[in-house]
This record gives sequence, C-alpha cells and structure tokens, in this order.
Amino acid sequence: QVQLQESGPGLVKPSQTLSLTCTVSRGSISSGAYYWSWIRQPAGKGLEWIGRILTSGNTNYNPSLKSRVTISVDTSKNQFSLKLSSVTAADTAVYHCARGLIRGGHFYGLDVWGRGTTVTVSS
Amino acid sequence: ETTLTQSPAFMSATPGDKVSISCKASQDIDDDLNWYQQKPGEAAIFIIQEATTLVPGISPRFSGSGYGTDFTLTINNIESEDAAYYFCLQHDSFPLTFGGGTKVEIK
Repeated sequence: QVQLQESGPGLVKPSQTLSLTCTVSRGSISSGAYYWSWIRQPAGKGLEWIGRILTSGNTNYNPSLKSRVTISVDTSKNQFSLKLSSVTAADTAVYHCARGLIRGGHFYGLDVWGRGTTVTVSS
Repeated sequence: ETTLTQSPAFMSATPGDKVSISCKASQDIDDDLNWYQQKPGEAAIFIIQEATTLVPGISPRFSGSGYGTDFTLTINNIESEDAAYYFCLQHDSFPLTFGGGTKVEIK
C-alpha cells in the first residue's frame, strides 16, 4: 500500500515562506491515475483543501489561498512540495498530503493520506 | 464553493450501539461524497466512497447512504476501536471541501 510522509520545518516566522515536502513510498508518483493534494487543519477547526497537482505539472489551488500557494512535483525523487508565502499566525496548522483518484478523466476524492506535520507560525 | 454541514460535532456511544453522522451539502453534489476516519497521530482512513460504496478492507459495520444534498454515515454495532474523528469530503466541485467533523467517543 502506498504511503505518504510529510516533512519540513515545524516553526516558521511571520512573513516568511512555509515549505513542506511529501514523499511517496511503495508507489510511483508518476502514475497518471492519481493527483496529489495538500490539506491543512488548524487546531480546533475543520479541514481546508489547499490545492492539487498532476504529474503533468498542472495545478489547481483553493481560491482562498491561491495568491500565496505554489505546489510542485519532482518525479525523480517521488515527491511533491508545498510553498505558502507571507505566512501569519492564521497559517498555523497540521498540514497533510494526500493522493487523489483520477478515473476516465474525472477527478475523484482522496484515498490515501499522510499523518500530517504540525507547522507553527511564530516569531 | 460547496459547504458541507456535518452533525453532530461530538457523540458518545456505548459498545453495540448504532450511530449515525449527517453531512448536508449546500448544493446538489450527486454521489460525489466520501467518508473518512482519523485517529490522533494517524493518517486518515478512506472508509466510504461515492456516498454508499464501502472501501475494500473496511469493516461492513460501516455503511453510507444518501444522494444529492443529504448524506449519512452509519456505524452498526459500534466497537471501542471505532472511537475516532469522522469527516466527509465532497469532490463534485472545485475547491474540494470538508465537513466540520464528528468526534465519536465510546463509553
């Protein structure tokens, strides 16, 4: 079964850029049957979808974060990454990566998740 | 953006109970709704796809129902191992959105 693991700094200063990587193991990130997403959950709040990337490099972002988000993929390392710029305390959250299904050209939901990594924005 | 309203936010159940969690969509999403289970410190587990289909390997005590705007996750004969956070996800329209989640406690 494919596994996803998030990694990156647990503490980021306000106004700086948050950078996280998701490593895919026991499976190839290059499969065209999947897309790759980032999701976050602030403490005590609900989940928020950040965006997704296909292995072609095509991306879609949540309009609420679009101006600050970049998701990229590195197929040689079987990884995809998240960059969130100009962070504030409101960006403090557990960040998850996840895999989504593509069937017949239609995007379905997320089937495999990482455990998540906590990122705190503080000086 | 499609809003998912999930209820209740918290429930306490006794082993053997049948429990139901509701997820209501702000617009018609056909059957484009999934359910997940998450335990603290663990990855979320995919349990119901397309509103009613049990994901392979998941206990048949879990079932899903609904179409359009009203959806329900039911857990029959609940066990202590079912204590977890449950949430719904819609993938009908962009951006993907989630229900607010339900914490299930087993007495």
